[in-house]
Amino acid sequence: QSVLTQPPSVSAAPGQKVTISCSGSSSNIGNNYVSWYQQLPGTAPKLLIYENNKRPSGIPDRFSGSKSGTSATLGITGLQTGDEADYYCGTWDSSLSALGVFGGGTKLTVL
Amino acid sequence: EVQLVQSGAEVKKPGESLRISCKGSGYSFTSYWISWVRQMPGKGLEWMGRIDPSDSYTNYSPSFQGHVTISADKSISTAYLQWSSLKASDTAMYYCARLSGLYGFDFDYWGQGTLVTVSS
Repeated sequence: QSVLTQPPSVSAAPGQKVTISCSGSSSNIGNNYVSWYQQLPGTAPKLLIYENNKRPSGIPDRFSGSKSGTSATLGITGLQTGDEADYYCGTWDSSLSALGVFGGGTKLTVL
Repeated sequence: EVQLVQSGAEVKKPGESLRISCKGSGYSFTSYWISWVRQMPGKGLEWMGRIDPSDSYTNYSPSFQGHVTISADKSISTAYLQWSSLKASDTAMYYCARLSGLYGFDFDYWGQGTLVTVSS
């Protein structure tokens, strides 16, 4: 059971928009920056969003992040088949010596 | 070019010891923390712990404290993950990742992963 709660799966058609939620608590999301990672099948995770809503260079603006209170959201617009992947949120948890925590992951299917 | 290159796949028996490595290049190794992340077959990511290569200060997740040891040799820009007595449940892919920021949970570079298989 992950400290951060994500839906197991989401799906949408090519070209559409999807959002993935990440719910936590005041000890993690509520008081720390959230990052999002994309993991394509058989590959290492890749940083998509950092500090709640910033994109590393090379990440298209189709990907966006937001945070409100103890929840965060990843948004993906203009869905492409290449976006099919597992997506993970992550942050520090201040309750236990600033330990790292990931969400359980969300499988995105582009129909 | 920043790279984290991990050691190759391992097949071990329960009770055996193991150390896997993660060599950084293309940046100042002592300027960025390194974390290890576990991914069991078909499962999600689990943060195991982190090390500051400049002084080898470490933090561990309670789930892994006492079962693994994270270390680093800054003279060769390499971090390690070590087990003294493997269990079948340690079978997983293990990734090292560089922590890019001071405050965020931002891992900007990842190793390619090391698959550890523990089976009798």
